[in-house]
Amino acid sequence: DGGITQSPKYLFRKEGQNVTLSCEQNLNHDAMYWYRQDPGQGLRLIYYSQIVNDFQKGDIAEGYSVSREKKESFPLTVTSAQKNPTAFYLCASSIEVLSPQHFGDGTRLSIL
Amino acid sequence: SQQGEEDPQALSIQEGENATMNCSYKTSINNLQWYRQNSGRGLVHLILIRSNEREKHSGRLRVTLDTSKKSSSLLITASRAADTASYFCATAGPVTGSARQLTFGSGTQLTVLP
Repeated sequence: DGGITQSPKYLFRKEGQNVTLSCEQNLNHDAMYWYRQDPGQGLRLIYYSQIVNDFQKGDIAEGYSVSREKKESFPLTVTSAQKNPTAFYLCASSIEVLSPQHFGDGTRLSIL
Repeated sequence: SQQGEEDPQALSIQEGENATMNCSYKTSINNLQWYRQNSGRGLVHLILIRSNEREKHSGRLRVTLDTSKKSSSLLITASRAADTASYFCATAGPVTGSARQLTFGSGTQLTVLP
């Protein structure tokens, strides 16, 4: 079955530490996205990529970094510069920008 | 920035009743999409309506779009307890320019009581 796999499901970060969230898709989609969701809130776009080796900042990119070296993979690094990283992180992909998005089941990041 | 805003924020109904959720937005759009999210899970795409369409159906779902009022509604008929979830609208901005992304609203939490 095609889909998006996010790992780990739960992640804990210590102060001053960078952590990387994994996102892999086997849907052959060109576009991939990272969103942040805070309790009771909607999704806010962190970064998106329309094609391999290219990515764009979203609304809340500060303190985050991404890479897109392979079509299937779009990892997100939460750096120590992100002062309030506790949130639910969702990865998504779509055939093209503005098309329906397929989502993974998220990674919940907490601070130790 | 959040363009789509859902109303109401929370809705509680009895099984078998219809549920209506509304979404308002501010700027021109290419299409509008509705998603569902079960607690602790990712979003699932339900239906897409293009800016030149007024109504669309999918099973028990009916979506309307009024571009003059910049609003959309999602109707779930004959609701079931399994429909309990958060529902989000997402606006897809014009293809040109910087709005090459979906903008999600804050969602409506629907509870269907058995």
